[in-house]
Amino acid sequence: DAGVIQSPRHEVTEMGQEVTLRCKPISGHNSLFWYRQTMMRGLELLIYFNNNVPIDDSGMPEDRFSAKMPNASFSTLKIQPSEPRDSAVYFCASSLGATAQGYTFGSGTRLTVV
Amino acid sequence: GDSVTQMEGPVTLSEEAFLTINCTYTATGYPSLFWYVQYPGEGLQLLLKATKADDKGSNKGFEATYRKETTSFHLEKGSVQVSDSAVYFCALTGNTPLVFGKGTRLSVIA
Repeated sequence: DAGVIQSPRHEVTEMGQEVTLRCKPISGHNSLFWYRQTMMRGLELLIYFNNNVPIDDSGMPEDRFSAKMPNASFSTLKIQPSEPRDSAVYFCASSLGATAQGYTFGSGTRLTVV
Repeated sequence: GDSVTQMEGPVTLSEEAFLTINCTYTATGYPSLFWYVQYPGEGLQLLLKATKADDKGSNKGFEATYRKETTSFHLEKGSVQVSDSAVYFCALTGNTPLVFGKGTRLSVIA
């Protein structure tokens, strides 16, 4: 398996633009997580899905953020409109089950909003 | 809510030195505990885990023991190498997704 695949690896966009981050989880994993990593706040859980259904989105910072998982092999995280404070590394992870199993992380998308 | 506290970094060691990175946690119930490692420009990789009290997780010379009485899961390695330079994250999961500590940056110099 190629692991969790995220795209793009790097994204630079202007404030106000829409940004879409993409994630392909490991085949057979039924839980998917989106995390954001910043120097100030560390790793924060934004949202997670179980069997393609959003379970907890309480970490999504604002209505500007939305996430979808239309099928078991694809998820998106969208920011519209983007702001400079959204600049961070966004990680997608997948696992079999949400708790006791370790997660497999993608390589992340480094987002810079200027 | 559940939380993890790690020692502040950065930690700088000479090659072959002994490593300890402290981690304590607060959680309801009996969480599973993890150490993840992040190399520059990469995602997090699972290093080791322990799912119940007194379990010892180990991998690549790293070890950590789940201590329920002290709510700790300290990471240790007897002899570090330059290639161990990375950021190390302690994490837990109980009935919720993984909660991470802030991370500890380790630099090993030759």
